[in-house]
Amino acid sequence: GENVEQHPSTLSVQEGDSAVIKCTYSDSASNYFPWYKQELGKGPQLIIDIRSNVGEKKDQRIAVTLNKTAKHFSLHITETQPEDSAVYFCAASQAGGSYIPTFGRGTSLIVHP
Amino acid sequence: GAGVSQSPSNKVTEKGKDVELRCDPISGHTALYWYRQSLGQGLEFLIYFQGNSAPDKSGLPSDRFSAERTGGSVSTLTIQRTQQEDSAVYLCASSLGDRDHEKLFFGSGTQLSVL
Repeated sequence: GENVEQHPSTLSVQEGDSAVIKCTYSDSASNYFPWYKQELGKGPQLIIDIRSNVGEKKDQRIAVTLNKTAKHFSLHITETQPEDSAVYFCAASQAGGSYIPTFGRGTSLIVHP
Repeated sequence: GAGVSQSPSNKVTEKGKDVELRCDPISGHTALYWYRQSLGQGLEFLIYFQGNSAPDKSGLPSDRFSAERTGGSVSTLTIQRTQQEDSAVYLCASSLGDRDHEKLFFGSGTQLSVL
């Protein structure tokens, strides 16, 4: 089955800096890669996703890049703000059919004011 | 409309007791998932429903765990004879059964503590 590795487990940055979280996956058949943000006491919330037919996607201060050859994808957050502090999870899956995403272990992002 | 609703939000039980966790998915969402999140750990897949059937229950850790879904809506996760290692946050998610089938909407979870 699919295996998703996520690094780092903890990331501490100053407000205004950029943050990058990286994930690798093992199954070359995976073609859908979402990122979820989990705030304290809440469930994960989808913030951005990318499909295997594109290499990059942006949404305001967040962007995701995908390298299918190397089987890795990354989340980039620019101009970080204290409200970006949360746990971020990457996931990989095969879109269509019986879809069950495999999640990474999460990255705790701390943005210091 | 309302999001995914889970109840109770917190459950404290004694070792050996049975517990039931409930999930109300978003109306119209045909797919429903249960995940378990232990302290500092990722999201561990438990079971997936499409309608009322469970095509994949491979993540259930033991036969003490079971789940059902009725009317294509509400789902219940049951843990029998709870053990301390069952302590975790149990998350439920639902999704549409179309191209956006992949986008999961999570509830806030049930924090289960087994004493």
